[in-house]
Amino acid sequence: GAVVSQHPSWVICKSGTSVKIECRSLDFQATTMFWYRQFPKQSLMLMATSNEGSKATYEQGVEKDKFLINHASLTLSTLTVTSAHPEDSSFYICSASYSGSGAEQYFGPGTRLTVT
Amino acid sequence: QKEVEQDPGPLSVPEGAIVSLNCTYSNSAFQYFMWYRQYSRKGPELLMYTYSSGNKEDGRFTAQVDKSSKYISLFIRDSQPSDSATYLCAMSGAGGGADGLTFGKGTHLIIQP
Repeated sequence: GAVVSQHPSWVICKSGTSVKIECRSLDFQATTMFWYRQFPKQSLMLMATSNEGSKATYEQGVEKDKFLINHASLTLSTLTVTSAHPEDSSFYICSASYSGSGAEQYFGPGTRLTVT
Repeated sequence: QKEVEQDPGPLSVPEGAIVSLNCTYSNSAFQYFMWYRQYSRKGPELLMYTYSSGNKEDGRFTAQVDKSSKYISLFIRDSQPSDSATYLCAMSGAGGGADGLTFGKGTHLIIQP
C-alpha cells in the first residue's frame, strides 16, 4: 500500500516552454503533498508543501510564479515549470502523507527534466 | 553551516561487515529522524524512522538518535551487496507528516562481494 506515482518519468523540453509534472497517490488520500528537487550528487531540497484545496507554501528562494503547484484533489498534485531554462534541469520528486501515516512520507519515483 | 551534514562517501566495505552511517544536525526543532535508501534516478525508499532520542531496530538495521549531541546513526549488520545504494538521512519538526523533510546529502555505500 501507500503508492505514489509520477508522470512523466522523463521529459525533455525546449527553453522557454512550460512543462507539467503529475503526482498521484494511488491507494490513499493524501492530505499533504510535497515537491522536492534534486541536482546530481546533491541532496533533495524541499520546494513547496501543498494541502488539498489550499495554496501551496513555498520554501525560501523558490519562485512561486515559476513553479506553479496545484493540489486540486486528495490524490493529485501537479507541478508546472513555466518558461523553463536549462538551469531548471533537475530531478523532481513528489511525496505524500496522510493523517494516519505518522511522520512517514511516501515518495514517487521522480521525474527527470531536461531543458535544452 | 548546513542544517544537516552527512559524509557523501563513497564508503566501501566488504560483504558481511557492519556499516555505520551518520548525520549531524543543527536545528534543535527536529523531532522525527528518518533514513531513506535511494538507487540511482529513483525515488527514496523509507527504511525506518525514529521519534526523538532512542534506538530502533528492524531486522539488520538499527537507527540511533542522540538529540543531546544532535547526532543520528544507522547501523547495517551482515551487509550484503544488495545493500549498495545511497543512504539519506532526513529530519522534520513536530508536525510529522505535515512537515517537509530536510535531507542530508546522502552517503554512497558500496558493499564488495
